[in-house]
Amino acid sequence: NAGVMQNPRHLVRRRGQEARLRCSPMKGHSHVYWYRQLPEEGLKFMVYLQKENIIDESGMPKERFSAEFPKEGPSILRIQQVVRGDSAAYFCASSLKDVEFNQPQHFGDGTRLSIL
Amino acid sequence: TQLLEQSPQFLSIQEGENLTVYCNSSSVFSSLQWYRQEPGEGPVLLVTVVTGGEVKKLKRLTFQFGDARKDSSLHITAAQPGDTGLYLCAARVDSNYQLIWGAGTKLIIKP
Repeated sequence: NAGVMQNPRHLVRRRGQEARLRCSPMKGHSHVYWYRQLPEEGLKFMVYLQKENIIDESGMPKERFSAEFPKEGPSILRIQQVVRGDSAAYFCASSLKDVEFNQPQHFGDGTRLSIL
Repeated sequence: TQLLEQSPQFLSIQEGENLTVYCNSSSVFSSLQWYRQEPGEGPVLLVTVVTGGEVKKLKRLTFQFGDARKDSSLHITAAQPGDTGLYLCAARVDSNYQLIWGAGTKLIIKP
């Protein structure tokens, strides 16, 4: 499968629990972006990572949220002590090369996070 | 704060009709992209426009970037039920990798 793979597709957590969302970029892609989408809204940038580095996390809340993209394995978006307001669809996208003008981003099908 | 406003928010028309949806901003963008998103899936890139006044065609879809690079339109000719989906525009400021997204136009084409 050559596409961006996200798992799980659906995740249900109770308030106070931790949520871990995984993203495997397209083969050969070393740049990963995480976005959040609320119903009837567009996507909101959260964080941009390259292998082992966070390049820009300006869109990610400073508390409870963290992201990593290790040398081996998928990128992980981690949300600690989840609250109801964290319920959303979280999308991951990947691109092939360095940050570049018009470099296309390829999206996964998202993880729908529901907080009870 | 750069904002992308899409209109209409919702459009439902009969198969075979033509339609145009819009993406507007007060900011100047270095490039603008149109995506289509279906329920339960991620956005899929349709086109990127870069030059002011640029027109790109993708079968029955025609994309235009405004001369001032502040707005864009998507025109669909002879719409088909398969065109149903959420159409999102996203734009870049300068060479920043961050994409600013509109809220989308939800399009339903009735057979």
